[in-house]
Amino acid sequence: DAGVTQSPTHLIKTRGQQVTLRCSPKSGHDTVSWYQQALGQGPQFIFQYYEEEERQRGNFPDRFSGHQFPNYSSELNVNALLLGDSALYLCASSLGGQYSGANVLTFGAGSRLTVL
Amino acid sequence: LAKTTQPISMDSYEGQEVNITCSHNNIATNDYITWYQQFPSQGPRFIIQGYKTKVTNEVASLFIPADRKSSTLSLPRVSLSDTAVYYCLVGVIYNQGGKLIFGQGTELSVKP
Repeated sequence: DAGVTQSPTHLIKTRGQQVTLRCSPKSGHDTVSWYQQALGQGPQFIFQYYEEEERQRGNFPDRFSGHQFPNYSSELNVNALLLGDSALYLCASSLGGQYSGANVLTFGAGSRLTVL
Repeated sequence: LAKTTQPISMDSYEGQEVNITCSHNNIATNDYITWYQQFPSQGPRFIIQGYKTKVTNEVASLFIPADRKSSTLSLPRVSLSDTAVYYCLVGVIYNQGGKLIFGQGTELSVKP
C-alpha cells in the first residue's frame, strides 16, 4: 500500500540554517497539506498545495514556503530556523479535484526537526 | 471555520466503552465531522467520518444529533492499545481551498 511517505524522519539543524522536508502523497491523491505539531499540541495547518499552487495558508511567516511537483510530491522549506521551529512536521494527502466534502486526509509519519 | 471543543483528557479501563463528545456550535451546512487517532511520534490516523445521524465502522461509531452542533465518538470495549490522542475535526477539503483545523484533542488513557 503506497501511503504517504516523508523524508527525512529525523534531522537536527542549528539556528539560522535552512531545511527542506519532502513528501510523497498516497497513490491516487493530488493534494498535499503540511502541518506543524509541537510537543503536546495539536497539528497546526501550514499550507495546502494543489495543481502545483498554494491554495490555502495558515498563520505561518514567509520563512515557511513550499512546492508541489507535477508528480504531486511536495517539499516544505523553512528558512532562518528558530528554536521554536522544533516540531514534528506532518504531510497529509487527499483527493482534490471537484468540491468534495467527504475527503479524508491521509497522514505520513512525519519528520522530526530539532533546532539547536 | 467551525471551532471544536472536546475534553482534554479521559481515563478508562480495558473492556469498557468510551464516549468522547465534541462540541462544534458553528458548524456549516457543508461541513463533515471527522475523527482522527494519534499515537506519539506518528501521524494522525483516520477513524471515522459522518455528516448526520449515526455512522459505524469496524472500529468505532459516530453519533451526530439532528442539530449537528455536537458529535460523540464511541469506542466499544477499549484495550490498552487504544491509549492515544483523539481529535475531532469539522470542515471540508477541496482543491480550491478548505483546510482542516485541529484542536487540542482528547488524551485517552486506558488502564488494565
